[in-house]
Order: sequence, then C-alpha cells, then structure tokens
Amino acid sequence: DTGVSQDPRHKITKRGQNVTFRCDPISEHNRLYWYRQTLGQGPEFLTYFQNEAQLEKSRLLSDRFSAERPKGSFSTLEIQRTEQGDSAMYLCASSLGTLEAFFGQGTRLTVV
Amino acid sequence: AQKITQTQPGMFVQEKEAVTLDCTYDTSDPSYGLFWYKQPSSGEMIFLIYQGSYDQQNATEGRYSLNFQKARKSANLVISASQLGDSAMYFCAMRGDLGGSTLTFGKGTMLLVSP
Repeated sequence: DTGVSQDPRHKITKRGQNVTFRCDPISEHNRLYWYRQTLGQGPEFLTYFQNEAQLEKSRLLSDRFSAERPKGSFSTLEIQRTEQGDSAMYLCASSLGTLEAFFGQGTRLTVV
Repeated sequence: AQKITQTQPGMFVQEKEAVTLDCTYDTSDPSYGLFWYKQPSSGEMIFLIYQGSYDQQNATEGRYSLNFQKARKSANLVISASQLGDSAMYFCAMRGDLGGSTLTFGKGTMLLVSP
C-alpha cells in the first residue's frame, strides 16, 4: 500500500496522559499536513511541514501539542496532558508541492 | 481569511440519478484552488476533483464534475449516475495560493444513495 499511513487508528487515553501519533506520507511527497476533525465538522488545519521544516502552525495548536518530521520522512504529533476537548479524529495528509493532498485514514482519539 | 459554506447538511438521491452538492466560498486571494473530498465511514478523505480559479473550463473526473461559477463564488459538485457506494460525507475545500498550501474545509454534506 503506497498511500498515507497513520498509526494507531484508534487511541483511548485517560485525561492528563500524553499520546503520540505517527504518520507515514507517500514516499515522494515533500509536504505533510496535520488536521483535526471533530464530530460534525470539516477538518481544521493544525500544522504543516515542507521536508523537515515546520512552516506553519495554527492557533489551534496549543503549547501542549508538538509535531516533528525528522529527516523529512514520517511525522509524529504529540499531545501532552490530554484534555477531553482533545477528543477528535487526527488526520495526516501529504502532497507533492502544491498538488492535491492525499489523506490517511486518521487516528481517532478518545480522552476519558 | 478564507471561508467555505456548505448549506446542505444532508442529501438523498436514488441510484442512477444525478445529484448536485452546493459549495460557496469567500476569499481575498486573487488566485486559489477548490477541491472536493469524499469521506466514507472508514474516515479516510478521498480526493475527488480540483478546480483552479483561472481554469477556463469546469473540471471533470469520471462521474464527477465541478460547476464553477466564479462571479457567484460557487463550486458545486455534480455526481452523475449515483451509485450506492457514493453514500458518504462530501467536503468542499479551498486553498489560497497566497496563504500557503493549507486547506480550509466546509462542514460537509452527507449524501445517501438509495436503491
């Protein structure tokens, strides 16, 4: 499968715990994006990378959120001290430059 | 700032009929792109079709076509000959060419195709 891969698909965590999600983009894609989608809404932009450089971060990305893309390949999104409001689907996408973005199947986070 | 509005929370269509999903947008960017994505219950966002703001012709991809009316700031998706597998959420999105390459999405329209 050469599409965007996300791991895990589902995560249930207790409030206050830290969680980390991984995204493997399509191999030749230089841009990688993270979006968050809550129930009944469209995806909202969180951050994006061009190669290993994090070029843009949304206001939604509080200090508890951090994303990395070492070596410009896979990316991780970490949420520290999770809150119930963090419960959402976290979507990763990749693109070759400004061409269309291809999305993974997402990681559904539930904070209890 | 960019904004996408999808006014239809849900749409019903019978198999083999055509359906139009509405999308209006607002942007101050002189150049932009409009996208439609399909999200089945599995959660993956599937790219369907793209229209550039300076494209002279409406985009088409198989059974999907985009009815782009620039003056009205609308970019409606037309699905011809609906199939049961078309039942899903559909999202309209835009990217302003001056604002980086991130997408702004609408709230989506749930399409249900009945036999």
